[in-house]
Amino acid sequence: GENVEQHPSTLSVQEGDSAVIKCTYSDSASNYFPWYKQELGKRPQLIIDIRSNVGEKKDQRIAVTLNKTAKHFSLHITETQPEDSAVYFCATSPYNNNDMRFGAGTRLTVKP
Amino acid sequence: GAVVSQHPSWVICKSGTSVKIECRSLDFQATTMFWYRQFPKQSLMLMATSNEGSKATYEQGVEKDKFLINHASLTLSTLTVTSAHPEDSSFYICSARAPGGAGTDTQYFGPGTRLTVL
Repeated sequence: GENVEQHPSTLSVQEGDSAVIKCTYSDSASNYFPWYKQELGKRPQLIIDIRSNVGEKKDQRIAVTLNKTAKHFSLHITETQPEDSAVYFCATSPYNNNDMRFGAGTRLTVKP
Repeated sequence: GAVVSQHPSWVICKSGTSVKIECRSLDFQATTMFWYRQFPKQSLMLMATSNEGSKATYEQGVEKDKFLINHASLTLSTLTVTSAHPEDSSFYICSARAPGGAGTDTQYFGPGTRLTVL
């Protein structure tokens, strides 16, 4: 089955700096790569996603890059703000498939 | 759009009792819903896939007789934790897949249910 590894497990940055979180996966059939943000005790919120026919996608301060050959994808947050502090999860699934697997999560802390 | 609700948001029960958790898609029909369990400071672990009108598909290691899933309609799936024990205490989160088109693989999560078994 799919194995998703996420690094780092914790990340602390100064407000205004950039943050990068990386995930690797094993299943070449994975076709969909979402990123979720989860605040303490709350539901995971989809913040950005990318599909395998695209190498990069950007939405304001958030961007995701995908390297299908190397089987890794990354989340980039620029100009970080304290409200970006949360746990971020990457996930993968084959297209239109039920089998979504999550990384272990990265606890991001943005210091004011 | 794509709002998923979950009820109750938290529940405390005695060991040996059963607890039912409801997951509803409020503004769309979901033929497929998913149930996850999340322990403190850990990731989401898929427990089972709930299919409307058919039996749920359980992940390896998840006891189907203990975690009963019923997907009776296109907007409602329920998870019943039978004969709950303290080790079942966790945060249970459901999700539903948005319907149709290019976004059919996007999952939207409910707010979660925190179960505490005494």
